Amino acid sequence: AQSVTQLGSHVSVSEGALVLLRCNYSSSVPPYLFWYVQYPNQGLQLLLKYTTGATLVKGINGFEAEFKKSETSFHLTKPSAHMSDAAEYFCAVSPPGSGGYQKVTFGTGTKLQVIP
Amino acid sequence: EAGVAQSPRYKIIEKRQSVAFWCNPISGHATLYWYQQILGQGPKLLIQFQNNGVVDDSQLPKDRFSAERLKGVDSTLKIQPAKLEDSAVYLCASSQELAGGRKQETQYFGPGTRLLVL
Repeated sequence: AQSVTQLGSHVSVSEGALVLLRCNYSSSVPPYLFWYVQYPNQGLQLLLKYTTGATLVKGINGFEAEFKKSETSFHLTKPSAHMSDAAEYFCAVSPPGSGGYQKVTFGTGTKLQVIP
Repeated sequence: EAGVAQSPRYKIIEKRQSVAFWCNPISGHATLYWYQQILGQGPKLLIQFQNNGVVDDSQLPKDRFSAERLKGVDSTLKIQPAKLEDSAVYLCASSQELAGGRKQETQYFGPGTRLLVL
């Protein structure tokens, strides 16, 4: 069974500082990995995803994540935090492959607070 | 392109009452998902439809929850009777079916329905 673990339910950073949100996955084969963002009272929005190919994935709003198979990690980073980045971030995993349906499993989320 | 629509946005009911949520996915998206997101947790898949057929309902509490997608477009999720622990945000998402029957990796989410059971 696949799963993701997000380290830290709450992360605070100063405006302009590096953002690092941690995600480790458990899967018997290299999975597909996702980061979603959820703003208050809204649904989830895809930030970026890793399926195959380049392990460093760039997403929207200046975020990026690197798939590290040896560490089973997919940490989300952004060089400089902006006030508008304050939200809850979810890491998610699904089985690879193009056949059948894809069941996505979400982590428990990390709330990012940006301090002015 | 219009996004995933859900209604109502908020609902307050008493335990043992029934409630229904509606979702209209992005036009042309064959796959529709219902998730339950309890406060402080990530979304948990309740049921997944491919067109009007159920692909996965393994985590749907079938004694009280039901869902349908009769014409393969919009969908309704019902809870009857509701329990206190059903208080959560119910998210609907949809995704495309790609050429060759492959499933798109990206799911597009609606704003959710926030349910409070008293």
